[in-house]
Amino acid sequence: EVQLVESGGGLVKPGGSLRLSCAASGFFFSSHTMNWVRQAPGKGLEWVSSISAAGNYMFYAGSVKGRITISRDNAGNSLYLQMNSLRAEDTAVYYCARDANRGHAYNDHWGQGTLVTVSS
Amino acid sequence: NFILTQPHSVSESPGKTVTISCTRSSGSIANQYVQWYQQRPGTSPTIVIYEDNQGPSGVPDRFSGSIDISSNSAFLTISGLKTEDEADYYCQSSDSSNQVFGGGTKLTVL
Repeated sequence: EVQLVESGGGLVKPGGSLRLSCAASGFFFSSHTMNWVRQAPGKGLEWVSSISAAGNYMFYAGSVKGRITISRDNAGNSLYLQMNSLRAEDTAVYYCARDANRGHAYNDHWGQGTLVTVSS
Repeated sequence: NFILTQPHSVSESPGKTVTISCTRSSGSIANQYVQWYQQRPGTSPTIVIYEDNQGPSGVPDRFSGSIDISSNSAFLTISGLKTEDEADYYCQSSDSSNQVFGGGTKLTVL
């Protein structure tokens, strides 16, 4: 069974940093592109970032480019999101999601999410 | 770059059929596949349609997807509505390596 478990969320002040983690199990982690998708309170889904299976290609939404870094540890079956210079508008539930590996980007499994709150 | 526009909300009665639209702002809807996700309150999204009209295993065949080039739109149709179908539904497509989500449609089954 595919499982994705996020952690690392919490309350952080504007301008602060946070590192999110996603522990993956139940599939060949190193074979899949992985994604982060966020959802602000009461709002819709917003794609944040993607990383290729080998970790050599990273993509970012314009709203986070330059402030967020996606990475992965294939040996440890883990995905990360380093978030710096956080703003109030980064407040959201952050979901780790597995790309379906069908040749176009979409998510076939999602984690339960971790809440990031940016507030003074 | 393009955006996907969905109606904010729809409602229908149990047992009926409802269709949710997702209109692409530029470029053809047929250029990239469209997926649909269901998100019940307080839970993570789950996929109900992929590649325009394919149903994942475990998703009832009451859920179906289609695209219409003339209106540049994708559609999610749910037949035989049940109260458990009440949820937010999001369409999604891709733009190069980026994912693009529609704004979501709240389905009320009353």
